[in-house]
Amino acid sequence: GAGVSQSPSNKVTEKGKDVELRCDPISGHTALYWYRQSLGQGLEFLIYFQGNSAPDKSGLPSDRFSAERTGGSVSTLTIQRTQQEDSAVYLCASSLEGRKLFFGSGTQLSVL
Amino acid sequence: GENVEQHPSTLSVQEGDSAVIKCTYSDSASNYFPWYKQELGKRPQLIIDIRSNVGEKKDQRIAVTLNKTAKHFSLHITETQPEDSAVYFCAAGFGGYQKVTFGTGTKLQVIP
Repeated sequence: GAGVSQSPSNKVTEKGKDVELRCDPISGHTALYWYRQSLGQGLEFLIYFQGNSAPDKSGLPSDRFSAERTGGSVSTLTIQRTQQEDSAVYLCASSLEGRKLFFGSGTQLSVL
Repeated sequence: GENVEQHPSTLSVQEGDSAVIKCTYSDSASNYFPWYKQELGKRPQLIIDIRSNVGEKKDQRIAVTLNKTAKHFSLHITETQPEDSAVYFCAAGFGGYQKVTFGTGTKLQVIP
């Protein structure tokens, strides 16, 4: 595809369940970011992947959150034992190093 | 790591007036300063960026200025229109393999 693709677009889950969110970056983009955005709020940085370097996990809010990026392409953000405060839009973005970020349309996560 | 502060958090202007959003950054090594616009319910998109070898850059009604000595940069929107209403994010980065760090966002409302 031409842009960053995220799936699912919407996810409703029950408190305590695990969820997996997927991001397909633009082909060839070496950098990949995950952000969380609560309603009306800013972009909360979660994790940053750059090529084969160790990811920058400094934004992950707790050990319930993890992410991986396989083969330098697709990334999965996993949230274990979801809580109601995890409800937000999760945005993925990719870029060539040091250049414009292209954002996906996000996954709206609702934890009931 | 880099820290980016952005002001004001909200801004209301009359249609046709100018709007100015200001950001400061902490890492003097940063040399790339993009601005993103996020319309309601949509993904952030790059509207303009500036690199540290340039003091000012203009694109139609929007301009960005950079003061590296003071470590601050600003977005100027002239002749504002209702479609300029959105949240604007500034960011700073080093380029290469360093991540881009976002400010907290400014919600701009243009009143017709």
